[in-house]
Amino acid sequence: AQKVTQAQTEISVVEKEDVTLDCVYETRDTTYYLFWYKQPPSGELVFLIRRNSFDEQNEISGRYSWNFQKSTSSFNFTITASQVVDSAVYFCALRWGYNKLIFGAGTRLAVHP
Amino acid sequence: DVKVTQSSRYLVKRTGEKVFLECVQDMDHENMFWYRQDPGLGLRLIYFSYDVKMKEKGDIPEGYSVSREKKERFSLILESASTNQTSMYLCASTRGSHEQYFGPGTRLTVT
Repeated sequence: AQKVTQAQTEISVVEKEDVTLDCVYETRDTTYYLFWYKQPPSGELVFLIRRNSFDEQNEISGRYSWNFQKSTSSFNFTITASQVVDSAVYFCALRWGYNKLIFGAGTRLAVHP
Repeated sequence: DVKVTQSSRYLVKRTGEKVFLECVQDMDHENMFWYRQDPGLGLRLIYFSYDVKMKEKGDIPEGYSVSREKKERFSLILESASTNQTSMYLCASTRGSHEQYFGPGTRLTVT
């Protein structure tokens, strides 16, 4: 069975702090894709990153970085020097079958000035 | 830019009413999806379609049906709305194995 677990329901930080959002997944597939999406207060999910199961290189994009470790079935997301605009709900997702996505429950991040 | 639009941002319906939620995408994507989002549960797949007139059940299809008569439009139908269908409904589309693009969502309240 496929499963995505985001154990952190809510995280609260002060601006400029670094914060890591955890994502643990379960799948029996050998080929799969992992995603992170951001849902700001406006409600529309915004795609952040896609990673396939054969690419374990870490990814950095500006203040965002992702750490994919197959050995621990984790795909964690770090925001460096957080800003108020980073406040949102963040979802980790696993793609399986023909384009089906299974989402974690989401982590609500609040960044305070 | 990919654009996915949904017919309403907010909708209030009564129990037993038939409800139509419309989704339109403008990027010629073959795959379209309907999800519902509930607190603590994330997004759950209701139905998806990989071509015109083709559909497959997702994880929670009970109480819903869908229609895809044209490639750009994917409709979600609640045949007889119930209070437990009060939720946020999100439509998405994608081409092939790429990332899904989401619409702004419809917050449906059934009273």
